[in-house]
Amino acid sequence: DVKVTQSSRYLVKRTGEKVFLECVQDMDHENMFWYRQDPGLGLRLIYFSYDVKMKEKGDIPEGYSVSREKKERFSLILESASTNQTSMYLCAHQRGRTEAFFGQGTRLTVV
Amino acid sequence: TQLLEQSPQFLSIQEGENLTVYCNSSSVFSSLQWYRQEPGEGPVLLVTVVTGGEVKKLKRLTFQFGDARKDSSLHITAAQPGDTGLYLCAGGRGGANNLFFGTGTRLTVIP
Repeated sequence: DVKVTQSSRYLVKRTGEKVFLECVQDMDHENMFWYRQDPGLGLRLIYFSYDVKMKEKGDIPEGYSVSREKKERFSLILESASTNQTSMYLCAHQRGRTEAFFGQGTRLTVV
Repeated sequence: TQLLEQSPQFLSIQEGENLTVYCNSSSVFSSLQWYRQEPGEGPVLLVTVVTGGEVKKLKRLTFQFGDARKDSSLHITAAQPGDTGLYLCAGGRGGANNLFFGTGTRLTVIP
């Protein structure tokens, strides 16, 4: 089975903190994605990467950055956390241009 | 604006009833997937359809891709409490690495 592992299930951070969300996949897939999920808004794409050291902005990249130093690991960084970044964060990797496989999600609360 | 619109947004039914969830767009997709997400977890892939008019069955779930590849439906026969969750459709388009997700249908099956 394909496995995507996110480092934390729940996080509570203070406003202004730098936050790292880690994601690791166990397949040799190039495409990896970070989404946030909010009630009524669905999944919104933050950033994605199709190769090591490559990154592309998604629909809502403001306030976020990413790092992909190794193929299996894709990190999302909140440079200075704000309360409007309280959300469910989902990492996924994708087989080609179809079929996404998600991690279990990280529920981040910024206070 | 949302590329994929799902309806209904919420659905609450009694165990044993049938239901249909719709996923509509004005755009053509090369493939369409359906996912189910349980509370506190990431979405899990149920099915992928790629051919216009294609019908796939997964036990009590029937998925159909529209002839023009712009819409899809999910039909559940004799719903059970274990079917409760958030159902998401997602489409792939040529030239884009990422999938486009619908806003979801939250289904509750009451015992």
